[in-house]
Amino acid sequence: QVQLHESGPGLVKPSETLSLTCTVSGGSISSYYWRWIRQPPGKGLEWIGDIYNSGSTNYNPSLKSRVTLSVDTSKNQFSLKLSSVTAADTAVYYCARHSNDYYLDYWGQGTLVTVSS
Amino acid sequence: EIVMTQSPATLSVSPGERATLSCRASQSVSRNLAWYQQKPGQGPRLLIYGASTRATGIPARFSGSGSGTEFTLTISSLQSEDFAVYYCQQYNYWPPGTFGLGTKVEI
Repeated sequence: QVQLHESGPGLVKPSETLSLTCTVSGGSISSYYWRWIRQPPGKGLEWIGDIYNSGSTNYNPSLKSRVTLSVDTSKNQFSLKLSSVTAADTAVYYCARHSNDYYLDYWGQGTLVTVSS
Repeated sequence: EIVMTQSPATLSVSPGERATLSCRASQSVSRNLAWYQQKPGQGPRLLIYGASTRATGIPARFSGSGSGTEFTLTISSLQSEDFAVYYCQQYNYWPPGTFGLGTKVEI
């Protein structure tokens, strides 16, 4: 059974960079697209970006200037960096796996990141 | 950008009753539509893909239908564990594969 687990600081100061890692277990990170999604408190799901095991990426245009995704196949991990954060970036951040048909078949439990001084 | 509209925003039902949730796409997404269930404090879980195919381990009381722009998720007899928020997602146009805003099923 594939499992995903997000990890990283739960508190980030305004203007700093949010950094999260998603660790994949029970399966290989190869040959799939992987996605980051966030959910502000009480709101819906917002796409952040996608990364393939080769490093190919797609980003949400509204976040593209601040987002960097990377993958480490040797560790079966992929990572998110979001720069110049503000309170509007406070959210639960999820990582997920795309099936070969692009629906999301496995999700992490999510991690709450709060932006506050 | 494809807009996914879910209705109603909140659905109040009693255990054992049928629940019918709707999802409409702003343009045709063929049958490339998935449904997810999210319980408080948890990540979403895939219920349905291809508009009507249940994901592994999903009970038969969950069924999906529709194609093009109109889709329905039906829960035939609500169990206590089914009270949650349900999201639809189109993946015909990817990226991004847009989500609806969700329907909360409450007691």
